[in-house]
Amino acid sequence: DARVTQTPRHKVTEMGQEVTMRCQPILGHNTVFWYRQTMMQGLELLAYFRNRAPLDDSGMPKDRFSAEMPDATLATLKIQPSEPRDSAVYFCASGSSGGPYEQYFGPGTRLTVT
Amino acid sequence: GESVGLHLPTLSVQEGDNSIINCAYSNSASDYFIWYKQESGKGPQFIIDIRSNMDKRQGQRVTVLLNKTVKHLSLQIAATQPGDSAVYFCAENTGANSKLTFGKGITLSVRP
Repeated sequence: DARVTQTPRHKVTEMGQEVTMRCQPILGHNTVFWYRQTMMQGLELLAYFRNRAPLDDSGMPKDRFSAEMPDATLATLKIQPSEPRDSAVYFCASGSSGGPYEQYFGPGTRLTVT
Repeated sequence: GESVGLHLPTLSVQEGDNSIINCAYSNSASDYFIWYKQESGKGPQFIIDIRSNMDKRQGQRVTVLLNKTVKHLSLQIAATQPGDSAVYFCAENTGANSKLTFGKGITLSVRP
């Protein structure tokens, strides 16, 4: 049963601390997306990768957020320093660039910054 | 899990009735559309998709209708069940890349 996995599932941290979220895409998928979901803004695309190369990170605050894919089985999203307004659920999704373009979502990381 | 539906439009239906969830999309160049279902505390789950060269596609208990003239997408759920209670998102893709643009979401509440 192939699925996207994310760790941690929940993270509570204090303002100013570094936060790292990890994602393992479905094996064979070459496109990975990071989303943030809040009640006010809904589902926002932060960044996405194809074949491990960043294609678009225009939705991500550049000064504190960074996204990488060290290898094909791991994507990371880091926030440094974290702020209370970063509190949200962060989802990773993976898909295939060959189309059709359905994306498969992980369970999310619920981040609370106090 | 986190509730994502507090500020979203809500559709309330009686168990056993049919549900129709509507979505207006903005980009006339979009050629691929998806409906996702998100239950509390979980990630969005793929339900059904449709390409722009079709106007109807059926799955198990679900049907998606596409009206390109008015840029409207709908999801019909037959014989709605309590397990269908969730937030539903439509998403569109223009084909230029792999990105999906998601709608705000609609909460479906099923009354027993």
